[in-house]
Amino acid sequence: AQSVSQHNHHVILSEAASLELGCNYSYGGTVNLFWYVQYPGQHLQLLLKYFSGDPLVKGIKGFEAEFIKSKFSFNLRKPSVQWSDTAEYFCAVSFSSGSARQLTFGSGTQLTVLP
Amino acid sequence: DTAVSQTPKYLVTQMGNDKSIKCEQNLGHDTMYWYKQDSKKFLKIMFSYNNKELIINETVPNRFSPKSPDKAHLNLHINSLELGDSAVYFCASSHRTGHTEAFFGQGTRLTVV
Repeated sequence: AQSVSQHNHHVILSEAASLELGCNYSYGGTVNLFWYVQYPGQHLQLLLKYFSGDPLVKGIKGFEAEFIKSKFSFNLRKPSVQWSDTAEYFCAVSFSSGSARQLTFGSGTQLTVLP
Repeated sequence: DTAVSQTPKYLVTQMGNDKSIKCEQNLGHDTMYWYKQDSKKFLKIMFSYNNKELIINETVPNRFSPKSPDKAHLNLHINSLELGDSAVYFCASSHRTGHTEAFFGQGTRLTVV
């Protein structure tokens, strides 16, 4: 079965530190890749997405991610985090299965940024 | 002009009751989903549905059933509610094909007492 793995369950950083969150997926076909963010008490919002082309994608709020096909990875990065980045981050993979689209999420990474 | 809307936002009910959560999207998407988010924030897909196919996560109890009166709505019915059903339920929608992300509703926090 297709799956998405996020290696870090909880990451604690100080403001201005650099961030990298790992994401790996298992699926041999064509996939679309996403990172979503969930601020406390809110719904999921899209940070960035990869469909094709340049494997380095830039998203909102200074986030970026790199797709490495050979490693089945889509890691999220930010050079300098802010306190307001404290949230839950989800990696997701979308692929077609029959006539339906499947969207599978990783287990999430809680990011806490200390002021 | 909310893209994906769910009602109610909060739902408190007793064990054994039957309840429904409504979801509507105005994005013209042809695929809708229901996710369950537990207390550890894990997002588990429950259903993926378009007008051609319903995909059910095999771990979802048959007390849960999706009902779609039309392409813009996918309601979630839950029978004989149990304590373990307490969670936040998110509805989402996307296009079935092409390059598109999923858009999420605000979530429904269900508490079974």
